[in-house]
Amino acid sequence: AQSVTQLDSHVSVSEGTPVLLRCNYSSSYSPSLFWYVQHPNKGLQLLLKYTSAATLVKGINGFEAEFKKSETSFHLTKPSAHMSDAAEYFCVVSDPSGTYKYIFGTGTRLKVLA
Amino acid sequence: DAGVIQSPRHEVTEMGQEVTLRCKPISGHNSLFWYRQTMMRGLELLIYFNNNVPIDDSGMPEDRFSAKMPNASFSTLKIQPSEPRDSAVYFCASSPTGKGSNQPQHFGDGTRLSIL
Repeated sequence: AQSVTQLDSHVSVSEGTPVLLRCNYSSSYSPSLFWYVQHPNKGLQLLLKYTSAATLVKGINGFEAEFKKSETSFHLTKPSAHMSDAAEYFCVVSDPSGTYKYIFGTGTRLKVLA
Repeated sequence: DAGVIQSPRHEVTEMGQEVTLRCKPISGHNSLFWYRQTMMRGLELLIYFNNNVPIDDSGMPEDRFSAKMPNASFSTLKIQPSEPRDSAVYFCASSPTGKGSNQPQHFGDGTRLSIL
């Protein structure tokens, strides 16, 4: 069975400082992993995806994530936070063996302080 | 490129009324998903279509909920009769493949449904 745990429900950073949003997963297979962002009153927008190619994945808006199999982690980072990054972030795992189901984390709400 | 288009964006209605939510997936995508998002339960998959055929409706809460996909460019989610506990944000998503989950799902902006 697959699962995903987002370790922080809320994260606050100052504008211009680094962002770290933590995600751990559990999977019987080599998983596909995604990070999505949800701004208020909007749908989920794909930031980046890992599908067993490079372990360091670059996404949109300066975000990147590193797949670490030994730690079963897929943490999301950004070197310098911008006010527009304030949103909710979801880590998602899916089974690449042929199923379609997404397993969503519970979300991390990022607050960016001026 | 047009994304997934959902209508209406907001719906407020009284309990007992029929509600119909609409979705136009991205052209060329053959998988379509309906989700419900609430504070208490997060994101829940309601139903999954592949090539217009319902594959998994195990997430549909009860018989009051029904979904159709008459063609590749249109899907509806209907609630009849509606109840206050159906209040939530309903999302439609599409993806380009039916098998192999490495293709990401693309989400619409959702319909915020309030049942009074």
